[in-house]
Amino acid sequence: AQSVTQPDIHITVSEGASLELRCNYSYGATPYLFWYVQSPGQGLQLLLKYFSGDTLVQGIKGFEAEFKRSQSSFNLRKPSVHWSDAAEYFCAVGAQLTGGGNKLTFGTGTQLKVEL
Amino acid sequence: DAGVTQSPTHLIKTRGQQVTLRCSPKSGHDTVSWYQQALGQGPQFIFQYYEEEERQRGNFPDRFSGHQFPNYSSELNVNALLLGDSALYLCASSSRRTVETQYFGPGTRLLVL
Repeated sequence: AQSVTQPDIHITVSEGASLELRCNYSYGATPYLFWYVQSPGQGLQLLLKYFSGDTLVQGIKGFEAEFKRSQSSFNLRKPSVHWSDAAEYFCAVGAQLTGGGNKLTFGTGTQLKVEL
Repeated sequence: DAGVTQSPTHLIKTRGQQVTLRCSPKSGHDTVSWYQQALGQGPQFIFQYYEEEERQRGNFPDRFSGHQFPNYSSELNVNALLLGDSALYLCASSSRRTVETQYFGPGTRLLVL
């Protein structure tokens, strides 16, 4: 069965500093990997996704992530954090369902706080 | 282009009652998935609907049931509510042409007293 580990429950960074959020996954086949962001009381917004090809993927809001198969990791990065980036970030792996489609398995999330 | 919509936004029920949550998928999408997000946790897969059929169910009891309509909208029903059913219920839609990517609605916050 697939699983996702986000080792950092909370991270605090200063505005303008760089950011890296860690994600490790477990999946038997080539994974579909995602990062979503959730603001308080809101649904999930897709930041970026990896299916195949270039292992460095660009997303919205200046975020990028790098897929490293050898480390089973898909870490999220941003060179300069803005106060509006404060939110909870979820890493997810997509697994194919019997009969088609796929389901997402999420990590427990990383809460990002940005200090001004 | 309307995104995924869900109703109601908030709901308060008492133990033993039944609840129905509704979801309209993003335009052009035909697949709907439901997730439960307990406080402080990541979302957990409940089930997915495609062509009005349940494709697969996660680790949730039969008290959780669903339906998909011909216009691709969907309902999630929960019977015999327990305190532990209090959570944010998220609907996600996707297209059979790009099944890998799911787009989420704002969720329905359910509180069971």
